[in-house]
Amino acid sequence: EVQLVESGGGLVKPGGSLRLSCAASGFTFSSYSMNWVRQAPGKGLEWVSSISSSSSYIYYADSVKGRFTISRDNAKNSLYLQMNSLRAEDTAVYYCAREGQLGSLFDYWGQGTLVTVSS
Amino acid sequence: AIRMTQSPSSFSASTGDRVTITCRASQGISSYLAWYQQKPGKAPKLLIYAASTLQSGVPSRFSGSGSGTDFTLTISCLQSEDFATYYCQQYYSYPPITFGQGTRLEIK
Repeated sequence: EVQLVESGGGLVKPGGSLRLSCAASGFTFSSYSMNWVRQAPGKGLEWVSSISSSSSYIYYADSVKGRFTISRDNAKNSLYLQMNSLRAEDTAVYYCAREGQLGSLFDYWGQGTLVTVSS
Repeated sequence: AIRMTQSPSSFSASTGDRVTITCRASQGISSYLAWYQQKPGKAPKLLIYAASTLQSGVPSRFSGSGSGTDFTLTISCLQSEDFATYYCQQYYSYPPITFGQGTRLEIK
């Protein structure tokens, strides 16, 4: 069974940093591109970042470019999101999502971890 | 960036109804469109990809159609568990991957 479990969320002050993790199991992690998608309270879904299976291709939304860094450790079956210079508008539930083999659609999602940026 | 616009943003329906949600892309995306269902407090769930292909395990009352810029998600006979928010997503041109704003389906 495919499982994605996020961790690392919490309350952080504006300008602060946080590192999210996503532990994957039940599939060959090293064969799949992975993504972070977020959802602000009461709002829709916003794609944040993606990383290819071997980390060769990395993309970011303009809203986080230069502040967030996506990475992965295939040996540990883990995906990460380093978030720096956090702003109030980064407050959201952050989901880890596996990219399907048929394109950049998301066939499995984690349960999400809440990041709150507030003083 | 390709903009995805869903309509309506919300509406009410009754169990047993046939409902259709529309998604329009700001430029042609061929059939590179996915639909997701999200229930409160839960992660989104993939329903349909390639505009009309049902994800494994999704009930056959869900169907998708369209290509180019105009797409629809149809639920043929609403069940109580179908009341949720639905999102479309294009994966034709990225970054960025873009979602529609969502359609909230409520019980009448």
